[in-house]
Amino acid sequence: LAKTTQPISMDSYEGQEVNITCSHNNIATNDYITWYQQFPSQGPRFIIQGYKTKVTNEVASLFIPADRKSSTLSLPRVSLSDTAVYYCLVGDDEGMDSSYKLIFGSGTRLLVRP
Amino acid sequence: DAGVTQSPTHLIKTRGQQVTLRCSPKSGHDTVSWYQQALGQGPQFIFQYYEEEERQRGNFPDRFSGHQFPNYSSELNVNALLLGDSALYLCASSLPFDATEAFFGQGTRLTVV
Repeated sequence: LAKTTQPISMDSYEGQEVNITCSHNNIATNDYITWYQQFPSQGPRFIIQGYKTKVTNEVASLFIPADRKSSTLSLPRVSLSDTAVYYCLVGDDEGMDSSYKLIFGSGTRLLVRP
Repeated sequence: DAGVTQSPTHLIKTRGQQVTLRCSPKSGHDTVSWYQQALGQGPQFIFQYYEEEERQRGNFPDRFSGHQFPNYSSELNVNALLLGDSALYLCASSLPFDATEAFFGQGTRLTVV
C-alpha cells in the first residue's frame, strides 16, 4: 500500500504558483520524500527529492516541516505543459539486501488552464 | 545517452498467449525494475533485477517472470495472458542503492483481447 495521501486532482491557471501537499504520517526516520511527474502514455519523471526543510531545483521546490509528516511540492508559474499527474513517494520498502522499490499511490492530477 | 528504451511500444495479444517485453537501461545503471500501470492508476511494482537476479518482487503471480542479461538489459515475460493484464508496462533503471531516483522508459502498451 502507498504510504502517502494526496489530493486526487487540482486545477490552476497559467502563470500561477501551484502547491500540492502530500501527507505521510508514518514516514520512517531514514525515508526520503520524492516527487515524480507523469504525462499521459509516458513513464514517470523524477522531479525533486528531500529529507527535511526546503529543497529547490530548476523545476520545483519541496517544503518539508520539522515533523516530516507532510510535504509540499511547489511549482512556480505553471504553464499548460505542466498538466500532468504528480506522485509523492516516501522511502521505501527496504529489502533484505538494502534494495528498495518505489511505491506509487494514485497521484494528483493537475490541470493547468489558459 | 538514449536513456531507458523499451520495445515494442505497442502490442496486441490474445488471451492465453505469452508475451515478452524488453528494456535497455540508462547508461551506467545496473538495476532494472518493472512496473504495471493500469489506466487511471499509479504504477505497481512487479519486480527488480540486479546482477542478473531477481532482488525484490511485488504482489504479482508467477505468470510474470523476468530476466536480466550481462549487459544489464532485461525482459519481462507474461504467460497465459488475461484480459486484466492489459496495461502500460514500464521499465525503470537506477543505480543499485539509489532507486529513489529512477529513470523510466516510455513503456509498452499491452492490449489483451
